[in-house]
Amino acid sequence: DTEVTQTPKHLVMGMTNKKSLKCEQHMGHRAMYWYKQKAKKPPELMFVYSYEKLSINESVPSRFSPECPNSSLLNLHLHALQPEDSALYLCASSQGSGSGANVLTFGAGSRLTVL
Amino acid sequence: KNEVEQSPQNLTAQEGEFITINCSYSVGISALHWLQQHPGGGIVSLFMLSSGKKKHGRLIATINIQEKHSSLHITASHPRDSAVYICAVSRGATNKLIFGTGTLLAVQP
Repeated sequence: DTEVTQTPKHLVMGMTNKKSLKCEQHMGHRAMYWYKQKAKKPPELMFVYSYEKLSINESVPSRFSPECPNSSLLNLHLHALQPEDSALYLCASSQGSGSGANVLTFGAGSRLTVL
Repeated sequence: KNEVEQSPQNLTAQEGEFITINCSYSVGISALHWLQQHPGGGIVSLFMLSSGKKKHGRLIATINIQEKHSSLHITASHPRDSAVYICAVSRGATNKLIFGTGTLLAVQP
């Protein structure tokens, strides 16, 4: 299995809803990432988990809450989002995160619309 | 000035043409990545380079560390190559990527 699987592919939610994005990989990768991408812009790093521990939080608002239940799963819990949070959310994984030279494998993304 | 600059921003080519996309960076790097993203889709990692040249099928990537410059070449381009090509660099001991703004390639039949 050489894929990163993200669900759902599309999500529409209201500003008062609570929802979650899920990401799964079975490549034995020990680093997992959440990126946010607005239209026609490059991805922006949100969070990095290394060996199931949060290693980087790019000053992301607390309405986004990451969780790494085990080495294969990464969740992003969403609560009280704003319309400007509408974007493509990309999950990625790599074998490690500490050498600066790891290939990232990206998922297809979850397109989020906040009404 | 962005730490990673790509050129051109937009590129239209005819099927079969040889294509070059350039990337310049202004910081010390651990590695340089070339990524491909189709419209509305996820990102595919094409190459990771720290020196020299790599080839995969019709794609070739080169890097000149002294000049802080990399190129992505596509030989015998095809409409299915139409996508955004993104250059990104990683620095130090983290895998945090600094992205260029991307090159939108359209290959016309």
